[in-house]
Amino acid sequence: DQQVKQNSPSLSVQEGRISILNCDYTNSMFDYFLWYKKYPAEGPTFLISISSIKDKNEDGRFTVFLNKSAKHLSLHIVPSQPGDSAVYFCAASGIRDDKIIFGKGTRLHILP
Amino acid sequence: KAGVTQTPRYLIKTRGQQVTLSCSPISGHRSVSWYQQTPGQGLQFLFEYFSETQRNKGNFPGRFSGRQFSNSRSEMNVSTLELGDSALYLCASSGDLAGGNEQFFGPGTRLTVL
Repeated sequence: DQQVKQNSPSLSVQEGRISILNCDYTNSMFDYFLWYKKYPAEGPTFLISISSIKDKNEDGRFTVFLNKSAKHLSLHIVPSQPGDSAVYFCAASGIRDDKIIFGKGTRLHILP
Repeated sequence: KAGVTQTPRYLIKTRGQQVTLSCSPISGHRSVSWYQQTPGQGLQFLFEYFSETQRNKGNFPGRFSGRQFSNSRSEMNVSTLELGDSALYLCASSGDLAGGNEQFFGPGTRLTVL
């Protein structure tokens, strides 16, 4: 049973436009959500997170939105840049003493 | 601060053999988690160690085991290797338990089972 789902395996976006990556989850006990970015031959790096008490968190070009009633979160990247081409993983957990569950990832291609 | 290091970076084994992977977390971090990444499956959680105790375990067979030492370094062992164990194995550390916290990942160990 996949508790964290990223239904789009890949996404192509024109440079300068907005990239929107989506993630759905099934476990209502999840309290904390994170996005990681992964380049080939490197480990994932943390991008941004959001706790369940918020519905939005911004960090520069990256904004994460959380819709708890729909069990859905999204990552917005504005404007998209060539260096944003990578695989993006959505992850979720309960607070503290809980394992992190990752989605299968979405490969983002930024087109020149 | 030095990042998370994993050794070896690449490994080739044959079916039936066993393998041990090593992970050194960021200095001061007490939590180490292990993940398996295969094409199309994303990152699948193996286990988390915190202060030498296994705190969480994923849905992997008992052939997969791990341990953590007093200096927080961790090892993962896979016995009786199968072809399906070919994957990128990632280690991640965090200052506190992983749940609710950012994790810092190492570059991974690429294991190929022939």
